[in-house]
Amino acid sequence: SQTIHQWPATLVQPVGSPLSLECTVEGTSNPNLYWYRQAAGRGLQLLFYSVGIGQISSEVPQNLSASRPQDRQFILSSKKLLLSDSGFYLCACSSGSTTEKLFFGSGTQLSVL
Amino acid sequence: EDQVTQSPEALRLQEGESSSLNCSYTVSGLRGLFWYRQDPGKGPEFLFTLYSAGEEKEKERLKATLTKKESFLHITAPKPEDSATYLCAVQAYSGAGSYQLTFGKGTKLSVIP
Repeated sequence: SQTIHQWPATLVQPVGSPLSLECTVEGTSNPNLYWYRQAAGRGLQLLFYSVGIGQISSEVPQNLSASRPQDRQFILSSKKLLLSDSGFYLCACSSGSTTEKLFFGSGTQLSVL
Repeated sequence: EDQVTQSPEALRLQEGESSSLNCSYTVSGLRGLFWYRQDPGKGPEFLFTLYSAGEEKEKERLKATLTKKESFLHITAPKPEDSATYLCAVQAYSGAGSYQLTFGKGTKLSVIP
């Protein structure tokens, strides 16, 4: 089964600083990859998804961007962080079927101060 | 707009006290309903997928059921290790050959010894 490596586990960054979160997947090839954000009191919000290398779809307008330079690598970035970017960021993957379950990484708790 | 509502927001049970968590949804073209378990500071872990009304799935002390309007996660004789946040997600057709996955805010379950 799939294993998702996500790091760092926690991150504290000042407003205006850049961000790079990395996610790598093992145990599958050509997965669909996702970045979610989970804020306190809110459901999981889909930020980006990718069905292949270099293919990125954004679900909401925001201060963040995503890239997929390799089949099993997904990166979440920002040039200048905002206070509102604070939250719990989760990388997830699925095998590609429209009804396939998601496997999640362990998440990154980002605090922007 | 597709909506997924989970209730209650929080539930405290004594060990051995059975109960149910509710997930009600308003979507057209349901593709599947998913239950996940999330421990504090961790990513969600897949539990069940339900596809059609009347379907039931079981795993240890958990049983998930589905009707046309809602799903229940029944917990029989819970133990302290069942304490977690339980998330419900609904996948529905969103047009142009694509599907959207919408998460509820979760129910935080605490099982007291």
